Amino acid sequence: SQQGEEDPQALSIQEGENATMNCSYKTSINNLQWYRQNSGRGLVHLILIRSNEREKHSGRLRVTLDTSKKSSSLLITASRAADTASYFCATDRDDKIIFGKGTRLHILP
Amino acid sequence: DVKVTQSSRYLVKRTGEKVFLECVQDMDHENMFWYRQDPGLGLRLIYFSYDVKMKEKGDIPEGYSVSREKKERFSLILESASTNQTSMYLCASSLHSGANVLTFGAGSRLTVL
Repeated sequence: SQQGEEDPQALSIQEGENATMNCSYKTSINNLQWYRQNSGRGLVHLILIRSNEREKHSGRLRVTLDTSKKSSSLLITASRAADTASYFCATDRDDKIIFGKGTRLHILP
Repeated sequence: DVKVTQSSRYLVKRTGEKVFLECVQDMDHENMFWYRQDPGLGLRLIYFSYDVKMKEKGDIPEGYSVSREKKERFSLILESASTNQTSMYLCASSLHSGANVLTFGAGSRLTVL
């Protein structure tokens, strides 16, 4: 069963705008991660946030975690064409790392 | 950099054939994972392993088995391939439990005719 569900399924924005993707999950977790996948390639880890953290930053990425609502968000600021990709959240529950279905992000020139 | 290598990028097999998908990592990671990725379904966990000769079922283990005889190698086996196993298969590894940041291979696209 999918643990995480991303929202929206697809998102198109203009270059330079901010992109926000959300992830909801069902059960308690140890941590939550976000990954990026460029077309036809393997996934690349972006950022990990632990269950006792509320917010984390890495460059243009900002991740929040609300364990009471079982949700997380990924914000990409000042988007670039190279950010066009699919983004997945993944929850770590007893070493089972379960992915959502992903959000397809398209940055328009 | 950690490298996860999947032996075959593309495979075409016939229904009923036995299929081996091999995955090797070169950085002494303890945990290894097999996922399949299908359009609209995201990544689904088939099996994972946290030690040599240890394996745990993921969410969709039916029709698959795995083998981990050496720490660096994790094989996915389709005993009798079926058309509904046509998919992209992704292998990943992580250093150890509690630090489960995954490094992925490039994927193996399997077509079963």
